[in-house]
Amino acid sequence: GENVEQHPSTLSVQEGDSAVIKCTYSDSASNYFPWYKQELGKRPQLIIDIRSNVGEKKDQRIAVTLNKTAKHFSLHITETQPEDSAVYFCAAPWGDSSYKLIFGSGTRLLVRP
Amino acid sequence: KAGVTQTPRYLIKTRGQQVTLSCSPISGHRSVSWYQQTPGQGLQFLFEYFSETQRNKGNFPGRFSGRQFSNSRSEMNVSTLELGDSALYLCASSLGTDLYEQYFGPGTRLTVT
Repeated sequence: GENVEQHPSTLSVQEGDSAVIKCTYSDSASNYFPWYKQELGKRPQLIIDIRSNVGEKKDQRIAVTLNKTAKHFSLHITETQPEDSAVYFCAAPWGDSSYKLIFGSGTRLLVRP
Repeated sequence: KAGVTQTPRYLIKTRGQQVTLSCSPISGHRSVSWYQQTPGQGLQFLFEYFSETQRNKGNFPGRFSGRQFSNSRSEMNVSTLELGDSALYLCASSLGTDLYEQYFGPGTRLTVT
C-alpha cells in the first residue's frame, strides 16, 4: 500500500559526528525523493532531493543516496552542528505520474554540543 | 518571490462547526497540495489541485474538501468538525509540471473543542 517507512524515529549524535536516516518506499514507479527539515514551530523546508536517474546527490554537508533496486533512500549529514537539530522527513510520490506525496513518519535528530 | 502564505494562522472551533482555510501559492506556481500534520500520524496527504482541478486525493472522509481558484489560490473546507480534526494544516505549492519540488506554507493551527 501507500507507505514510506523511515528509521530511526529518534537519533542523538555528538556535534561533529555523522547522522544517517533511512527510508524505504513501496511504489516501484516512484521517481522523486525529497527530504524536508522541520524545526520546532516552523514549516517543513526542502533541504535536498534526488531523482531516480541518479544514485547520489550532495550539497555541502548533506547527501542523499538512492537504491532503486532495494527501494531505499538515505539522508547523510556529516559534521553535524547543533543547528541541524530538527525533525527530518523523507517522502516519495505514489505513482510516477501522481502528485500525491507520501511522507515518512519523521526522525527527530538531536545534535549534542 | 514571496513564499507560500496561509490564513488564518490559528483557529479555534467547536465540534460540529465548519471551517475554511486559505492558501496562496508562490507566484507562478499552479499546484497546491494540502496536508494534515498531527503528532501521532505525521504528515498526511489530503488533496492536490492544479489549474482548478483536483488531481489526487488522500484517504480522508468527505467532510474534507477543497478547491482552487483561477489565480491558483486554494481553500480547504472541513465540515462537521470533530475533536480529531485538531491539527496543523499545511499547504505546499509547486510549479505542478515538474517533479515535485513543493514549498510549504507556515500552516494553520486548528483546535477543535
